[in-house]
Amino acid sequence: QKEVEQNSGPLSVPEGAIASLNCTYSDRGSQSFFWYRQYSGKSPELIMSIYSNGDKEDGRFTAQLNKASQYVSLLIRDSQPSDSATYLCAVNTNNFNKFYFGSGTKLNVKP
Amino acid sequence: ETGVTQSPTHLIKTRGQQVTLRCSSQSGHNTVSWYQQALGQGPQFIFQYYREEENGRGNFPPRFSGLQFPNYSSELNVNALELDDSALYLCASSSTQRTANYGYTFGSGTRLTVV
Repeated sequence: QKEVEQNSGPLSVPEGAIASLNCTYSDRGSQSFFWYRQYSGKSPELIMSIYSNGDKEDGRFTAQLNKASQYVSLLIRDSQPSDSATYLCAVNTNNFNKFYFGSGTKLNVKP
Repeated sequence: ETGVTQSPTHLIKTRGQQVTLRCSSQSGHNTVSWYQQALGQGPQFIFQYYREEENGRGNFPPRFSGLQFPNYSSELNVNALELDDSALYLCASSSTQRTANYGYTFGSGTRLTVV
């Protein structure tokens, strides 16, 4: 079993819609959870972090965490074509500050 | 505050050769972590250096080695290159406490192609 699992997609949504990206993790001791955006040929860019159960909002982005279900999600409201990228979920287990990354979900936002 | 810089940006090597990748840490950061990202995959943890000593290692063979210098810059060395070593290599610097709370900021990466 992989430490972090994501649906590889692609997930296609029309411009202006809500995109919902999901991630599950295996280590119940995980403490910190992150979403990265990666454009093709570029390095990952941190967009959201979440540490407690519930929702955390930042602009058009909302991260949701459910530790009991070992589930993290990212909602993107009013999706724009510029949001088209691969979204990586990362989990920190506090082991040497090592992060486990999922393989990413490719999001396509169609104009 | 300067960011994390990596060099070179692209590199082509022949199977069996050795390669050195470089990373300059963000100012004030004493920890550097290296990741390998194969095409279509998420980044995989190679190792971390803290104050010039290895401070954690992922499932990579000993031919992957590193150094951290007193100015906290770092090198990743790979010996006896294999075709599967072709990947984007990412460096991230941090202060230990900050990393766990705020996540990494990656450098722009080095794209290594082994032929």
